[in-house]
Amino acid sequence: AQKVTQAQTEISVVEKEDVTLDCVYETRDTTYYLFWYKQPPSGELVFLIRRNSFDEQNEISGRYSWNFQKSTSSFNFTITASQVVDSAVYFCALSGLIQGAQKLVFGQGTRLTINP
Amino acid sequence: NAGVMQNPRHLVRRRGQEARLRCSPMKGHSHVYWYRQLPEEGLKFMVYLQKENIIDESGMPKERFSAEFPKEGPSILRIQQVVRGDSAAYFCASSYSGAEYQETQYFGPGTRLLVL
Repeated sequence: AQKVTQAQTEISVVEKEDVTLDCVYETRDTTYYLFWYKQPPSGELVFLIRRNSFDEQNEISGRYSWNFQKSTSSFNFTITASQVVDSAVYFCALSGLIQGAQKLVFGQGTRLTINP
Repeated sequence: NAGVMQNPRHLVRRRGQEARLRCSPMKGHSHVYWYRQLPEEGLKFMVYLQKENIIDESGMPKERFSAEFPKEGPSILRIQQVVRGDSAAYFCASSYSGAEYQETQYFGPGTRLLVL
């Protein structure tokens, strides 16, 4: 079965600090996809990134960066120089190509609060 | 370039009534997914549909819940005889293609259902 664990339920930091959100996954699929979504206080779900299991290159997009490590089944998300607008619930998700195709399995989410 | 549209955004029903949630996918997308977010929980997959077909309904409760995606018009998630435990946010997502390409799912703003 597929499973995503976001062990950090809530994180609170002061603006401009760096913060890392952890995501650990379990799957028996050899081909799979990992995602991060952001849910701001307004409630919608915003797509941030998608990685496939064959691409372990880390990715940077502005202040956001993602570290994918197959050896530890982790796909962590770092926000550098955090801002108040980054306050949201962040979800990590997994989708397999063979098992449960097109069915996203979400972690419980990490509520990130950036204090001014 | 409209995104995924859902209506209503908020829906209040009394126990025993019916709830109809609508979802219009992004332009060019023919795959629709419904997810449910219970209070303080992550999102759980409910059903995956293509036009006129239910592909995977493994996450749908066995009774009272149904979904359709007709040839013309939006996808509908229908909950009959609602109970208080149905109170949740219901999110619709859409993608361009299906399992073979594991396309990114883009989410709508959600419908918040409150059962009194």
